[in-house]
Amino acid sequence: GENVEQHPSTLSVQEGDSAVIKCTYSDSASNYFPWYKQELGKGPQLIIDIRSNVGEKKDQRIAVTLNKTAKHFSLHITETQPEDSAVYFCAAIRQGGSEKLVFGKGTKLTVNP
Amino acid sequence: KAGVTQTPRYLIKTRGQQVTLSCSPISGHRSVSWYQQTPGQGLQFLFEYFSETQRNKGNFPGRFSGRQFSNSRSEMNVSTLELGDSALYLCASSLDTGTSQFFGPGTRLTVL
Repeated sequence: GENVEQHPSTLSVQEGDSAVIKCTYSDSASNYFPWYKQELGKGPQLIIDIRSNVGEKKDQRIAVTLNKTAKHFSLHITETQPEDSAVYFCAAIRQGGSEKLVFGKGTKLTVNP
Repeated sequence: KAGVTQTPRYLIKTRGQQVTLSCSPISGHRSVSWYQQTPGQGLQFLFEYFSETQRNKGNFPGRFSGRQFSNSRSEMNVSTLELGDSALYLCASSLDTGTSQFFGPGTRLTVL
C-alpha cells in the first residue's frame, strides 16, 4: 500500500520568510495529492491540491510542486504570516481506485513575528 | 453549503464504557471516513463508508465499529473504552472514495 513520508516534523520561520514542507510517496500509481492545514482546536482544512498531470499549482501565497519521477511533492508558503502557524499534512491517493487517502505525519509550522 | 458537522464536540467517559459519535457529511457527499488523532501519531485511519457499505478499514481492534445510514450520516462506536482511546476523532466527507475530503471539527473524547 501507499506510504507517505513528510519532513520536517517542525519548522520555525520568521514572519515574511518562505516555508517549504516536503513529502515523498511510495506508490507510483498515486495521482492526487492534497495538502491540509490544521489550526489548534479545529479539523484539518483542505488548502491546495495537485493532480499528477500537473507539475505545479499556485494559489496566492501557497504553491505545490510535484515531481512524479522522484515521487515527491512539496508545499511552498511565501511571505509567511503569524496566521500561517499550524500543523500541515500532506496526503496521497490513486483516484479512481478504492484505496484510502494516506496522510503524512504532519509538520508543525511556527511563524515568529 | 453547510460543512461537515460532528456531535458531540466533547465527551468524557470512564474506562469500560462505550461511546457513539455522529457525523453529518456535506450534502451530496456519499463517502464518510473516520480518523483518530492523538499527539505525535498524526491522522490514523479508522474506516470509510460509502453508500452504507464499509469500503476501507484501518488497523484498529474490533472495539471500534461504524455504520452509515441511507442519508449518508455516519456513526462510530467504541466499546469497552480504554485510557488510550482518548483522542480527537475526526470525520471527513467526500463525493466518492479518493476525491477531496472535507473534515469536520472533530469530537474530543477523554477517557478517565
